[in-house]
Amino acid sequence: QKEVEQDPGPLSVPEGAIVSLNCTYSNSAFQYFMWYRQYSRKGPELLMYTYSSGNKEDGRFTAQVDKSSKYISLFIRDSQPSDSATYLCAMSEYGGSQGNLIFGKGTKLSVKP
Amino acid sequence: NAGVTQTPKFQVLKTGQSMTLQCAQDMNHEYMSWYRQDPGMGLRLIHYSVGAGITDQGEVPNGYNVSRSTTEDFPLRLLSAAPSQTSVYFCASSYTAGPVGGDTQYFGPGTRLTVL
Repeated sequence: QKEVEQDPGPLSVPEGAIVSLNCTYSNSAFQYFMWYRQYSRKGPELLMYTYSSGNKEDGRFTAQVDKSSKYISLFIRDSQPSDSATYLCAMSEYGGSQGNLIFGKGTKLSVKP
Repeated sequence: NAGVTQTPKFQVLKTGQSMTLQCAQDMNHEYMSWYRQDPGMGLRLIHYSVGAGITDQGEVPNGYNVSRSTTEDFPLRLLSAAPSQTSVYFCASSYTAGPVGGDTQYFGPGTRLTVL
């Protein structure tokens, strides 16, 4: 079983919809959880970062971590066509090195006008 | 700031050829890394560096070499290209330990490599 599982989609929603993107993981030692957004033919960019369990909100984006269920989510409210991208979750046990990041495969999202 | 730059953008190689993918950053970042991204596989770490003169292996290091002689540059060398190395390669950098603590990890635009 891969350490991080993420449904690749594609996911297609109408503009204004609430989008829910999810990842599950098997390593209970993961403490640091991130979401990256990647536009087509571009490099990923960090969208949200969360440490341990709980919620974090930034504008239309909310990241949730449930360590007891080994499940993380990214919610996008009032989705826009400009949100169309691939969303990658990533997680890490340790805070001290980039070498520990484990990425999901990414979910491709399309927001239709 | 130019951020993280990668050259070339595209490259086609024949099996057995060698080449170097260039990566440079002008943000004075200590941490730099190389990933490959394949369909259905996500991003996988090849090598990373925590500072000039220090490198370490990631998840998929075989067939690749790196060195870090300056803070700014982190080239990735393919020793003898194989079709299995056909991929998109991303370089990334951050000031401290990546996104932990809120620091942002910046990715370059990628190099699309095809090995025939």
